[in-house]
Amino acid sequence: DTGVSQDPRHKITKRGQNVTFRCDPISEHNRLYWYRQTLGQGPEFLTYFQNEAQLEKSRLLSDRFSAERPKGSFSTLEIQRTEQGDSAMYLCASSRELNTEAFFGQGTRLTVV
Amino acid sequence: SQQGEEDPQALSIQEGENATMNCSYKTSINNLQWYRQNSGRGLVHLILIRSNEREKHSGRLRVTLDTSKKSSSLLITASRAADTASYFCATKAGGGADGLTFGKGTHLIIQP
Repeated sequence: DTGVSQDPRHKITKRGQNVTFRCDPISEHNRLYWYRQTLGQGPEFLTYFQNEAQLEKSRLLSDRFSAERPKGSFSTLEIQRTEQGDSAMYLCASSRELNTEAFFGQGTRLTVV
Repeated sequence: SQQGEEDPQALSIQEGENATMNCSYKTSINNLQWYRQNSGRGLVHLILIRSNEREKHSGRLRVTLDTSKKSSSLLITASRAADTASYFCATKAGGGADGLTFGKGTHLIIQP
């Protein structure tokens, strides 16, 4: 499978705990994106990387959120001190270059209880 | 914030009929993309149309773009039960910013 891969697919955590998600993009894609989607809404942009550089962050990305892409390949998204409002589907996407199609993974569904 | 607004929010048609969904946006764009999402799953890329293009086809899909009206439409011809899904338009702004801005989607139901 050469698509975008996300792990885990589902995560249930208690409020206040930290969680980390992983995304493996399509191998030749140098751009990687994180989005968040809540029920009944379209995805909302969080941040993106070009290779290992984080080039843009949305206002939605509070201080409790941090994303990394240390070697320009896979990326992690960490949420510290989770809140119930963080419950959502977290989607990762990658694209080959600027202004081209973005391909999405299956997402990680986070439930904070 | 959501730039795109899909219309209608929900659409139910009989198998074999054509389905048309519309998308309006607010700011100038580099391109507009349509995605499909089955319940609880990731998004599947359908088609990308650039700001200097007016129409694109892919199989049973036809997308139009009217930059003067800041609108796009997605036509699915000869619909099938498997087309049941949510459809989103996403816009890519001009300049260096690279994130997509999505609408809330149209939920399409194909009745067998």
